[in-house]
Amino acid sequence: AQKVTQAQTEISVVEKEDVTLDCVYETRDTTYYLFWYKQPPSGELVFLIRRNSFDEQNEISGRYSWNFQKSTSSFNFTITASQVVDSAVYFCALSGFESYIPTFGRGTSLIVHP
Amino acid sequence: GAGVSQSPRYKVAKRGQDVALRCDPISGHVSLFWYQQALGQGPEFLTYFQNEAQLDKSGLPSDRFFAERPEGSVSTLKIQRTQQEDSAVYLCASSLRGLRGDEKLFFGSGTQLSVL
Repeated sequence: AQKVTQAQTEISVVEKEDVTLDCVYETRDTTYYLFWYKQPPSGELVFLIRRNSFDEQNEISGRYSWNFQKSTSSFNFTITASQVVDSAVYFCALSGFESYIPTFGRGTSLIVHP
Repeated sequence: GAGVSQSPRYKVAKRGQDVALRCDPISGHVSLFWYQQALGQGPEFLTYFQNEAQLDKSGLPSDRFFAERPEGSVSTLKIQRTQQEDSAVYLCASSLRGLRGDEKLFFGSGTQLSVL
């Protein structure tokens, strides 16, 4: 069985603050894949990043960065210098080499105030 | 089309009515998923198609829910005798290949179903 936990239901920050969204996962697969998706008010989930279980290198893309730690089963997402346009619900998801149906967390609603 | 298209965008049904929700995935995408998203929750898996074959329907909550993808492209999710607990956003997603856990999903904007 796969499980994704996003303990933070809602985070509210002021523009230009840094913010980290937490994601903790459980899986029995030895090979698995972690994802982050963004859901703006329009409703359509948009893919942000995928990380393979055998690649623990952290990644940075502009103001976004991801910290994958197998030892703590976490895949956290940091937005640096947040902007109002970052306001959305962010979902962490997990799928495995055998359990190929993606499982989603309940999401974290990020509100960035001007 | 350029993206995943779902229709209708909103659907209001009286309890007991049957509804049909349509999903038009990205052309050439082998995999198609249906998810149900309750208010304030994450997407919950309903069913999965690889081309026209329904390989997994373990997430369908009852036998009132039925999905098909007869020609391996457009898919329809049908809910019979709708109940208030069926009220949710129904999301469709597609991906390029089949049976691959490493692929990103492309989502439609969803159909918001309200059962009165």
